[in-house]
Amino acid sequence: AQSVTQLDSQVPVFEEAPVELRCNYSSSVSVYLFWYVQYPNQGLQLLLKYLSGSTLVKGINGFEAEFNKSQTSFHLRKPSVHISDTAEYFCAVSSDTGRRALTFGSGTRLQVQP
Amino acid sequence: SQTIHQWPATLVQPVGSPLSLECTVEGTSNPNLYWYRQAAGRGLQLLFYSVGIGQISSEVPQNLSASRPQDRQFILSSKKLLLSDSGFYLCAWTAGANVLTFGAGSRLTVL
Repeated sequence: AQSVTQLDSQVPVFEEAPVELRCNYSSSVSVYLFWYVQYPNQGLQLLLKYLSGSTLVKGINGFEAEFNKSQTSFHLRKPSVHISDTAEYFCAVSSDTGRRALTFGSGTRLQVQP
Repeated sequence: SQTIHQWPATLVQPVGSPLSLECTVEGTSNPNLYWYRQAAGRGLQLLFYSVGIGQISSEVPQNLSASRPQDRQFILSSKKLLLSDSGFYLCAWTAGANVLTFGAGSRLTVL
């Protein structure tokens, strides 16, 4: 079974400051890792994904994440946030077997303040 | 290009009434289809997934059911809604690359 833990339910940050949203996972098999963003009353949009290869992955809107297998982490980072980055961010994991569905964390609300 | 449609976008229903939410995918064939529910202030819970017509797997026991009458159509239903069925329902699809693409969601309020 797989699980995802997002350690922070809310992260307040000032505009232009750096931010890190933490994500840890557990799985008994090789995994694929994802970050999605959800703006109010909308569906989920893929920010970035790790499938294989380089452990540092870059996504849209200036976000990046690093896959750390030894620490089973996939933290999301952005060096300078904007007001428009205010949203809910979800970390998710899947494997290449079975139903291929995503298992999501509980989400982190990023609140960017002016 | 592939697109996914969900409707209705918003629905307010009384307790005990039936439910039908529809999801269709365009531009692909034989996708895996998924229904997720997002309760207020919580993460996403997988409700159902389907790997083909008529093939439905339920992830959690609940008051809802799903059907896949056509290759690119996925329907979420209930015969009698409960208050606890309120939430934001998201349909998603994948063509086997492990990347799920989500629809815009359907917000259900049961009163």
